[in-house]
Amino acid sequence: AQSVSQHNHHVILSEAASLELGCNYSYGGTVNLFWYVQYPGQHLQLLLKYFSGDPLVKGIKGFEAEFIKSKFSFNLRKPSVQWSDTAEYFCAVNARLGGSNFGNEKLTFGTGTRLTIIP
Amino acid sequence: KAGVTQTPRYLIKTRGQQVTLSCSPISGHRSVSWYQQTPGQGLQFLFEYFSETQRNKGNFPGRFSGRQFSNSRSEMNVSTLELGDSALYLCASSLDRATTEAFFGQGTRLTVV
Repeated sequence: AQSVSQHNHHVILSEAASLELGCNYSYGGTVNLFWYVQYPGQHLQLLLKYFSGDPLVKGIKGFEAEFIKSKFSFNLRKPSVQWSDTAEYFCAVNARLGGSNFGNEKLTFGTGTRLTIIP
Repeated sequence: KAGVTQTPRYLIKTRGQQVTLSCSPISGHRSVSWYQQTPGQGLQFLFEYFSETQRNKGNFPGRFSGRQFSNSRSEMNVSTLELGDSALYLCASSLDRATTEAFFGQGTRLTVV
């Protein structure tokens, strides 16, 4: 069964600091990977996704993530955070079936990382 | 276009009661998934429906059930509520498969007292 680990439960940073949130998954096959963000009082939104190709993917609001297959990791990064990045961040994985990008219709989420940015 | 709509936004129920939550996906989306979000567990997958058929199911007891209608709207039902069922229930819709981008609703906050 697939699983996702986010080891940082709560991260506190000052504005302009660099950010890296860890995400490791457990699944031996091919996967689709996602990062979602949940701002206070808002719904989950997709930040970025990786299906195939360039392992460095860029998302919205200056976020990027790197897929390292050998480490089963998909860490989220941002070079300079802003107060508005305060939110909860979720990594998710979907096991891919066959040779297509289709998966098993189930997203497995990590437990989330709460990010607090101090102005 | 309109996003994923979940109703009601808030619910308070007592133990032993049952509850039905509703989700209207984005127009044209045929896949609807349900998740339970709690502070300690994060998001746990409940089930996914596509064209009125349950395509995948998580590890929840049979008290949790769902269905999807021909217009892709979905309902989730929880019977014999327990205190531990208190959570935010999220619905996500996708065009055809959850492997593509899933769009989430704002959720229904269920409190069981």
